[in-house]
Amino acid sequence: EDQVTQSPEALRLQEGESSSLNCSYTVSGLRGLFWYRQDPGKGPEFLFTLYSAGEEKEKERLKATLTKKESFLHITAPKPEDSATYLCAVQVYGQNFVFGPGTRLSVLP
Amino acid sequence: EADIYQTPRYLVIGTGKKITLECSQTMGHDKMYWYQQDPGMELHLIHYSYGVNSTEKGDLSSESTVSRIRTEHFPLTLESARPSHTSQYLCASSEAVGEGTYNEQFFGPGTRLTVL
Repeated sequence: EDQVTQSPEALRLQEGESSSLNCSYTVSGLRGLFWYRQDPGKGPEFLFTLYSAGEEKEKERLKATLTKKESFLHITAPKPEDSATYLCAVQVYGQNFVFGPGTRLSVLP
Repeated sequence: EADIYQTPRYLVIGTGKKITLECSQTMGHDKMYWYQQDPGMELHLIHYSYGVNSTEKGDLSSESTVSRIRTEHFPLTLESARPSHTSQYLCASSEAVGEGTYNEQFFGPGTRLTVL
């Protein structure tokens, strides 16, 4: 069964304290791994798509990387406005997206 | 910016009422989805559609129904609302790029439903 897990469940950082979020997956036939940001009471907002091991994508303070078993979302020098829940999802060929439970990130000023 | 819209944004309604949650997208995407999400909890797929006249049930059993008579419109209906239906409902769409493969999903802002 395709499965996506994320760790940690929640993370509190001080402003400027860099860290990484993990997304681990066990699927066969990965077509793509997707990262989203979700603010409370809103729909998820797309951040990145990664297709193959070794691929990296960057956007402002965020960098996503992919291996054959997991993906990391690195947050460099975070600011309070980076506080949100970060979701990862995988798509297997011919299947619907499978979402992880998310990591709730709080960045304190 | 994603062009996917949901109305109403908030709805408070009494038990037994029939409700329809609207979802529209202007991106011409074939595939559309409905998710249910309780606060702080995971997204659960309740319905999806590959295109006009196509509707499928998702992983989470739901008493709601959907229809797709136009590409851009994917409404969700509850015939008789109950307090257990209280939740946030998120609509999404994605572009097909090949057989069984899709680009990222674009999500609407959600409808927060409260059934008293």
